[in-house]
Amino acid sequence: AQTVTQSQPEMSVQEAETVTLSCTYDTSESDYYLFWYKQPPSRQMILVIRQEAYKQQNATENRFSVNFQKAAKSFSLKISDSQLGDAAMYFCAQQPMGNQFYFGTGTSLTVIP
Amino acid sequence: DVKVTQSSRYLVKRTGEKVFLECVQDMDHENMFWYRQDPGLGLRLIYFSYDVKMKEKGDIPEGYSVSREKKERFSLILESASTNQTSMYLCASSRLPHRQFFGPGTRLTVL
Repeated sequence: AQTVTQSQPEMSVQEAETVTLSCTYDTSESDYYLFWYKQPPSRQMILVIRQEAYKQQNATENRFSVNFQKAAKSFSLKISDSQLGDAAMYFCAQQPMGNQFYFGTGTSLTVIP
Repeated sequence: DVKVTQSSRYLVKRTGEKVFLECVQDMDHENMFWYRQDPGLGLRLIYFSYDVKMKEKGDIPEGYSVSREKKERFSLILESASTNQTSMYLCASSRLPHRQFFGPGTRLTVL
């Protein structure tokens, strides 16, 4: 069974500082995709970053980067230079080589001005 | 930009009513999904569809059915709404193996 665990229900960060959101997952697949999605309050869920499991290099999108540890089945999201607009619920997700996505329970990020 | 729209942002229904939630995407995606989102439980997959008239059960299909008569439209049906189906419902579409595009969600309250 595929499971995705986000152990931090809530996190907070000072504006302009760096924060890391944790995610671990369990899978027997060797190939899969990992994702971080962002859901701002009352707004649509959008993709933040994506990582293919066969790639060793960590994905980066501007201020967002991941630390992908395949052996440890860990996929954390680092947000640098945090901005007020980063405040949202963040979901980690895994997609084996098929259609279905598996989501974690989410981490609510607060950005303190 | 991909657009996924859902028929209602907020919906209030009574126990026992039949409820239709509509989702439309404009990018010719083969795959469409219905999730429900509850605090502390994340997103749980109800049903998904690979193609027109095709459907697959997700993790929590009980109490729900779906219809996909056209590629761009995927409907979620609550045959007889119950209070435990009060939730946020999210529709998504994708083209394998890429990212999912989400709709704005429908917050359903069943009284």
